[in-house]
Amino acid sequence: GENVEQHPSTLSVQEGDSAVIKCTYSDSASNYFPWYKQELGKRPQLIIDIRSNVGEKKDQRIAVTLNKTAKHFSLHITETQPEDSAVYFCAASRGGSQGNLIFGKGTKLSVKP
Amino acid sequence: DAGITQSPRHKVTETGTPVTLRCHQTENHRYMYWYRQDPGHGLRLIHYSYGVKDTDKGEVSDGYSVSRSKTEDFLLTLESATSSQTSVYFCAISPDRVSEQYFGPGTRLTVT
Repeated sequence: GENVEQHPSTLSVQEGDSAVIKCTYSDSASNYFPWYKQELGKRPQLIIDIRSNVGEKKDQRIAVTLNKTAKHFSLHITETQPEDSAVYFCAASRGGSQGNLIFGKGTKLSVKP
Repeated sequence: DAGITQSPRHKVTETGTPVTLRCHQTENHRYMYWYRQDPGHGLRLIHYSYGVKDTDKGEVSDGYSVSRSKTEDFLLTLESATSSQTSVYFCAISPDRVSEQYFGPGTRLTVT
């Protein structure tokens, strides 16, 4: 069946460094790719998303890139800060259905001051 | 946060008992979803709804049923709770088929 693979599962960086999280998807009909941030004990919240007609999207320190040919997309966080520490989930829309998302298993990002 | 609440927020129940979790929204969004979140598994879809009385199964639907009799409410029922259903359950809503999903605060369910 369709799946989304996310790497790495854990990532530790120094404050000010960049962090990159990568996801691959299997459903060629997927056309919507959101990224969620979940702080400990909280609900997941959208931080950025991209649609298949766009190759890159930026929002301040966060950017997402999409390569539809290779079926992979990535989250880039620059100038990381301690408050960026959280679990990040990528997701891909399930093609041909009424509408739902397939989530990756998450990346725990730790930013050390 | 979008107008979405879940009740109860915490529940402890015994194996074999039925349990119903409620998701309530004030956004008038068409789509509603139930997920479970377990360590190492991310978010897995249980069931979803695309309108009143319109529901479909997700990837981990066994042992769960849902109902949606009003736009604002989506109920998740564990027909006979098992220890493997101990988890954090999140409800989510979205206005259309392919757009941002807004998550509720979650329900922590423990089955003893």
